[in-house]
Amino acid sequence: QKEVEQDPGPLSVPEGAIVSLNCTYSNSAFQYFMWYRQYSRKGPELLMYTYSSGNKEDGRFTAQVDKSSKYISLFIRDSQPSDSATYLCAMIFNTNAGKSTFGDGTTLTVKP
Amino acid sequence: DTGVSQNPRHKITKRGQNVTFRCDPISEHNRLYWYRQTLGQGPEFLTYFQNEAQLEKSRLLSDRFSAERPKGSFSTLEIQRTEQGDSAMYLCASSRGGTVTDTQYFGPGTRLTVL
Repeated sequence: QKEVEQDPGPLSVPEGAIVSLNCTYSNSAFQYFMWYRQYSRKGPELLMYTYSSGNKEDGRFTAQVDKSSKYISLFIRDSQPSDSATYLCAMIFNTNAGKSTFGDGTTLTVKP
Repeated sequence: DTGVSQNPRHKITKRGQNVTFRCDPISEHNRLYWYRQTLGQGPEFLTYFQNEAQLEKSRLLSDRFSAERPKGSFSTLEIQRTEQGDSAMYLCASSRGGTVTDTQYFGPGTRLTVL
C-alpha cells in the first residue's frame, strides 16, 4: 500500500464548477502538505502548502487538512479551462529536508 | 519557465547503453533534487544534494544510477546499462534550502525512452 493515495480521476467538469480533489495518507509523521499542478509535458508547480489542520485559502483555491483523519483536500472554485491539468498532492516529514512523497495525481478537465 | 533547465528534453537509447542528463538549477539555490515520474504516477524521490554533498539516496536508485553536483551548481544523473524499466520522465528541482518547506521549483524534465 502506498503512503499517499490520491483519488485517481480523471475528472471532467463544466466551467464554473467547484472541484474537489482528495488525498489520504497512512503515515502520521507527515507534517507538511502541498498541492502541485502539472501541465502536460511540464514539471509540477507548487500551488499551495499547509502545515496545520484547517483551511488555507488563496484566491480560487482552498486547501484543507484533517490530520486526525489523515485526509487532505484541494477545492477549486469557479473552475476555468486553464485549470485543466494534473493535480498532485505531496507530503513532507518534518526532518527530511524537503524530500516529498507524492500521490499519483488526478487529471482534471474543465470544459468551456 | 521556473528557471530550472534540464537537458536533453528527450533521450531515446537502446537497452544497455549509458545515458547522462544535466540539470541547471536556479542560481544560488543550495538544494537540488532528482525525481523520476512514470506515466500515470506521481514523482518518486531519487536523491538530493545540499550544495555539492549528496545527502540522501532512495532505495530506488540502484547501483546503475549515479548523480553528481561537483561544484554545487549544475548536477548530472547518469544511468549505466539502461533497461526498459528505466523509461520515465526524470525531473530535477531546486530550492533555497533554508527550511524544509522551501518551495521546490521543478524543471521541465528529461523524457527517457529505452528501446
